[in-house]
This record gives sequence, structure tokens and C-alpha cells, in this order.
Amino acid sequence: QVQLQESGPGLVKPSGTLSLTCAVSGASFSSSNWWSWVRQSPGKGLEWIGEIYHNGNTNYNPSLESRVSISIDKSKRQFSLKVTSLTAADTAVYYCARVFTAGSLDHWGQGILVTVSS
Amino acid sequence: EIVLTQSPATLSLSPGERATLSCRASRTVASTFLAWYQQKPGLAPRLLIYDVFSRATGIPDRFSGSGSGTDFTLIISRLEPEDSAVYYCQQYSSSPITFGRGTRLEIK
Repeated sequence: QVQLQESGPGLVKPSGTLSLTCAVSGASFSSSNWWSWVRQSPGKGLEWIGEIYHNGNTNYNPSLESRVSISIDKSKRQFSLKVTSLTAADTAVYYCARVFTAGSLDHWGQGILVTVSS
Repeated sequence: EIVLTQSPATLSLSPGERATLSCRASRTVASTFLAWYQQKPGLAPRLLIYDVFSRATGIPDRFSGSGSGTDFTLIISRLEPEDSAVYYCQQYSSSPITFGRGTRLEIK
């Protein structure tokens, strides 16, 4: 059974940097999988942030690309998200997920609420 | 980017009825790169349908997907109380991947 679990701070300051980690269990982490980050806010709904391949290749949403980076650590079976220059608009529930077929997402973490506030 | 418009915004039906949810794309979704998700309060989205037609693991055959080009449909037949949720469509035909704003299905 594939399981994903997000971790990180629930409160971050404006203009700061958000760092989240997604730990993966129950799945081969070195196989040909892409891993993704999605966020959800009342204002923007579900928003795809980006994805990373097991070899480190990445794709990002152009609307966030200048502020986002995704990395992977296969030895720890985890991948991570960094978002810089935070504003209140970045307040959202952040999900990590496994990419299935060409882009659908078949396994999701439970989500972590991140609030940007001073 | 491809904008997905879902309709209706809200749907209220009785158990045993059939629900028809629509997802319209602002331009052609190539191949069969469209999925549907179900989301209940406080939970992550759950994959129901991928590649337009294919049911994800464990999804009952009451859920079916169809469509092509710019018009896609999710049908839930024989509604059950636990089908009450918000349903989202997602396209992965072109970057960035985008989601619709959802249809809220209420079971009376």
C-alpha cells in the first residue's frame, strides 16, 4: 500500500521560504515514477505546483516557477518542496502525490495546512 | 493554459438516481489525458477515473467517464449517500496541469 506523508511548518512569515517534505512508503522509490506537489486554497481551488522524476528531472507550473523548487532524496525515500517570497496568497493545504499514467495522481498525502502570516 | 469549466456548480439528487457531471475544456485535451477525482471534507482528493474512461483501483462500476476533445462527462449511476462530495476534473494534456473548480454533489 503506497503511503505519502507531508511534513513541515504550519505557519510561515510573509517574504519567507516554505519548506515541505513528503515521505513515501510502500512503493518502489527508484522505479520510473514522477512525484508531484499540488496545493488547494479557497480562492484558487486545486493548483498543480510541479513534479519531479526519480532521476531529478522537474517540471513546474509557469505561474510559480520563479519561486518554486522540488528536489528528491532517494536514500531517504522522500521529495521536497521549497517556495520562496511568500505572500498571503500562498496560504493553502499542500499535498504531495504520486503521478500515475501520464499525469493523473493516484496516491495522495493527507495534506498539510500552511498559513502565511506575521 | 487549459481552463476547465465544470457544471453544474451544485447538484442535489436522491439515492438511486443518476448524476451527470460535465467538464468543458477551453481547448482540445489531447489523447485521453483527463481524470476525475472525488473529495470529501477534510480529505485529499481520490482518483476515480483516469485517461477519460478507466476506473482507478477499487472504484465501483457505478462511476463511468466519457468524452473527447473539449467535452467530458462523469456519470454516477445508482447514487448512494456516501457519494456526497465535491468532484473535480483534471487535464494532463498540456502543461501546466489544471483542475476544474468542482461540482458539489449533495445526496438528499
